[in-house]
Amino acid sequence: DGGITQSPKYLFRKEGQNVTLSCEQNLNHDAMYWYRQDPGQGLRLIYYSQIVNDFQKGDIAEGYSVSREKKESFPLTVTSAQKNPTAFYLCASSISQGQNIQYFGAGTRLSVL
Amino acid sequence: DQQVKQNSPSLSVQEGRISILNCDYTNSMFDYFLWYKKYPAEGPTFLISISSIKDKNEDGRFTVFLNKSAKHLSLHIVPSQPGDSAVYFCAASARHYGQNFVFGPGTRLSVLP
Repeated sequence: DGGITQSPKYLFRKEGQNVTLSCEQNLNHDAMYWYRQDPGQGLRLIYYSQIVNDFQKGDIAEGYSVSREKKESFPLTVTSAQKNPTAFYLCASSISQGQNIQYFGAGTRLSVL
Repeated sequence: DQQVKQNSPSLSVQEGRISILNCDYTNSMFDYFLWYKKYPAEGPTFLISISSIKDKNEDGRFTVFLNKSAKHLSLHIVPSQPGDSAVYFCAASARHYGQNFVFGPGTRLSVLP
């Protein structure tokens, strides 16, 4: 059963804490993406990766970091430098970057304690 | 400055009637457009796409129309069903240039029984 798995579904962050959101795909897609959704706004691109061991900043990368050590995995770390982290985070993948339909995971809702 | 706009935050339609969701864009380089449907607490799911070489694409109850001169696209759902109640996002990319998709803020559709 192919798809994109995000975990956890809900996450709480304390002040000054870094948290990591998991994203795994078994679609054999080269490209992966992280988006943030805030109420009343569209999806905003945080980071994307075209291929293993490569990633690029999106429109709102400040306060976030990523890694792409394996094709299947693209974890997102929300660092303490991100002052307004409360949002719904979505991971997506596509066959290749910029060219194709993106398929999304179910999302992680991050809240600040 | 929003490159992709969905000016109606919400829309209510009677079951069986037509739903028309609109999307406007500002970047004339955009040449590939997608519509996604999103239920609460889930990731968006791909609905239908259209390339700038076409002005219409149809898939079952869903039809997307593209008016390049007006930089406008619309999604028609006929007939509307209660299960269509969701948030609909349009997304645009300058695929020819390998650019990432830009998402609109979404329109919440409610189909009333």
